[in-house]
Amino acid sequence: DSGVTQTPKHLITATGQRVTLRCSPRSGDLSVYWYQQSLDQGLQFLIQYYNGEERAKGNILERFSAQQFPDLHSELNLSSLELGDSALYFCASSVDPAGGPGYNEQFFGPGTRLTVL
Amino acid sequence: DQQVKQNSPSLSVQEGRISILNCDYTNSMFDYFLWYKKYPAEGPTFLISISSIKDKNEDGRFTVFLNKSAKHLSLHIVPSQPGDSAVYFCAASARDNQGGKLIFGQGTELSVKP
Repeated sequence: DSGVTQTPKHLITATGQRVTLRCSPRSGDLSVYWYQQSLDQGLQFLIQYYNGEERAKGNILERFSAQQFPDLHSELNLSSLELGDSALYFCASSVDPAGGPGYNEQFFGPGTRLTVL
Repeated sequence: DQQVKQNSPSLSVQEGRISILNCDYTNSMFDYFLWYKKYPAEGPTFLISISSIKDKNEDGRFTVFLNKSAKHLSLHIVPSQPGDSAVYFCAASARDNQGGKLIFGQGTELSVKP
């Protein structure tokens, strides 16, 4: 158990809908990262939040957004869903030295499997 | 452009022998490298890491070697055990103002046969 929790574990929805994925980082970790794993793309970085602020963006679609709350949990919002958004979505957390880019190891949650029908 | 590559999608090894998983990278700005292990239906589990100022890091049965001039790293597992059967991902990170995002390879599926 990495200490990172993600809910829900599975999500099945229809095209055009909007969903919210939730992540709670390990106790003490300030950084939260979101990754997408699809069959043909491997693990792709989406976005990072550090202590409530957006730190880095990857290949995240405009239809997707995220935020990190004062209690450090994070939510990833996916809207106008398309068939191609079906994937595993992982959240990871790391301590990160305050004020600096993170080099600490990232610990991953179990993931949310999203199926868009 | 794939910056981190694992060219072997699968590897089969006999129990007790050495498993060697390889990873190549193209971005010379990468200065921190990690290996993760992943079982089906679970998230990746951190195994071992290495900073670019080192060329070797060892943790129990796991050793990571880094060859910066060749932009190549490898993970050695000795001795291999059936429980090591999983997908192994190599990941890299660069020191910049963009935080600690990891760039992952495509993974190598290791099968350790009894």
